[in-house]
Amino acid sequence: AQKVTQAQTEISVVEKEDVTLDCVYETRDTTYYLFWYKQPPSGELVFLIRRNSFDEQNEISGRYSWNFQKSTSSFNFTITASQVVDSAVYFCALSYPSGNTPLVFGKGTRLSVIA
Amino acid sequence: DVKVTQSSRYLVKRTGEKVFLECVQDMDHENMFWYRQDPGLGLRLIYFSYDVKMKEKGDIPEGYSVSREKKERFSLILESASTNQTSMYLCASGQASYNEQFFGPGTRLTVL
Repeated sequence: AQKVTQAQTEISVVEKEDVTLDCVYETRDTTYYLFWYKQPPSGELVFLIRRNSFDEQNEISGRYSWNFQKSTSSFNFTITASQVVDSAVYFCALSYPSGNTPLVFGKGTRLSVIA
Repeated sequence: DVKVTQSSRYLVKRTGEKVFLECVQDMDHENMFWYRQDPGLGLRLIYFSYDVKMKEKGDIPEGYSVSREKKERFSLILESASTNQTSMYLCASGQASYNEQFFGPGTRLTVL
């Protein structure tokens, strides 16, 4: 069975600090997709990134970066120079590559960035 | 832009009432989903649908039913609302199971 674990329930950092959100997944499939979503205080989940299991290159988008390591079944998310607007709940998710099966979400990490 | 809309942002109902939560997407997506979100429990899947008139149970379907008569609309029904169904309800749609899901703004339901 698939499972996603986000061990950090809440993280609090001071503005401009770097912060890494951990995501560890379990799957028996060799092909799968991983996702990160952001849920700001307004409530609507916003898609951030999708990565397939064959692409282990790290991804960088502005202050955001993602480190995918199949050897440790991890897909960690780093925010560099955090800002107050980064305060949100962040979810990691895992999906099968085909068929009509839904995403499996972690329980989320609440990030608070303090000015 | 993909748009997923939900009929209400906030809803207050009484125990025993029948409650309808509506979700509409405008991107012709095959798949639609209903989740509930509770503190400490993350997102839990209630039901999903991969085609019109098709539905599949998620992790916590008890006390809920769904309806998908048209591709763009997916309704969640609480047959007899109870206080333990007080929660945030999120609807999502997506093109295929491995594609990203797009979420609506959520409905915060309170059952008194």
